[in-house]
This record gives sequence, structure tokens and C-alpha cells, in this order.
Amino acid sequence: GAVVSQHPSRVICKSGTSVKIECRSLDFQATTMFWYRQFPKQSLMLMATSNEGSKATYEQGVEKDKFLINHASLTLSTLTVTSAHPEDSSFYICSASGLPISYNEQFFGPGTRLTVL
Amino acid sequence: GDSVTQMEGPVTLSEEAFLTINCTYTATGYPSLFWYVQYPGEGLQLLLKATKADDKGSNKGFEATYRKETTSFHLEKGSVQVSDSAVYFCALSDPTGTASKLTFGTGTRLQVTL
Repeated sequence: GAVVSQHPSRVICKSGTSVKIECRSLDFQATTMFWYRQFPKQSLMLMATSNEGSKATYEQGVEKDKFLINHASLTLSTLTVTSAHPEDSSFYICSASGLPISYNEQFFGPGTRLTVL
Repeated sequence: GDSVTQMEGPVTLSEEAFLTINCTYTATGYPSLFWYVQYPGEGLQLLLKATKADDKGSNKGFEATYRKETTSFHLEKGSVQVSDSAVYFCALSDPTGTASKLTFGTGTRLQVTL
């Protein structure tokens, strides 16, 4: 149980385009989802926390208008990188948490590698 | 605020060697503690966890004990294998009710050679 999927696993796009990344909880209801960004050989940086049906809470320094997060259902959250630029290239990882699995444990997706040319 | 400090890597060991990766934390409450493992090109997988003082988490030969007195959660394995090569992250979560943020350490890269 507690499987989280992400799609796509890899995406390459041109500068200026927008990219949408999906995060799904496959066998539990994710009341909370988290989006992280990981730079090469570095730790995970929390970008935002989203609760189902509510606006996402962004961490300091993360541009809300650039990284749009939607958590419209208990099994799906999306991260849209708008007007992507090469500096947005990174590994994006989502995680999910919710009952009845656990309220304080996060289950991670496999990540999405974004490359902006 | 909460923080997690891990020993810097990379750690390079020969197969069957003993592994210790140190992790200490600071937290205002009584956090849950986790070790996650990340294999190349993949997301994080939960390796083990402990939710209260003196708990020992274990999985796949790895162990870590929640030491409140020393605020530590060191990861150990008696005999590493090449397949254990990965990045290991220590993390804590503040158990204040609803799903809470994880605070990660910087990660320790383990390289196991034949």
C-alpha cells in the first residue's frame, strides 16, 4: 500500500513553455501533498504544501505564479511550471500523506526530471 | 526551528564492512524520525522510522535507535552490499496533528565497492 505515482518521469521542453507534472496517490486518500525540488547532489527543498480543496502554502522564496499547484481531489495534485527557463531544470518530487495510512508520514513519488532547453 | 545534521559524505566502504551514518537533530517537540534512501534517478523510499524515544527502527539489515538524550538517530548496518550504494537522508517530522512537514538532512552518499 501507500503508492504514489508521478507523470511524466522525464520531460524536456523549450524555454518559455509550461509543463504540468501530475502526482497521484494510488491506494489511499491524500489529504495533504507536498512538492519538493532537488538539485544535483543536494537535499530536497520543500516548495509547497497543498491540502485537498485549498490553496497551496508556498515556502519562502518560491514564486507562486511560476509554480502553480492544484490539489483538486484526494488522489491528484498537479504542479505546473509556467514559462519555464533553463534555471527551472531540476528533479521534482511529490509526496502524499493521509488517513488511514498515516497522518505524519509522507510517501514519495518516483520524481520527475525536468530539462528546459 | 527544527533541523537535522548528517555526516558529510561520500562514505566509501568495501562490501561486508560495517556502516554508520550519523544523524543528530534539534526539535522543539517530540518528533518522529526517519531514514530515507534514494537510489540513482529515483525518488525517496522510506527505509525505517521511529516515533518515540528508545524505539528502534529496522529494515533490510539497517537499524537506527531514537536517542532522546543525545538527540541522535544514527543509521547502522552490520554488513553492507554493493546494492546498498545510494544516498541516505535522515529526516524528522513534527507530530503536531495533521500531516506535517519533513525536515531533511543534506543526505549522505554511500558507495560500496567489491
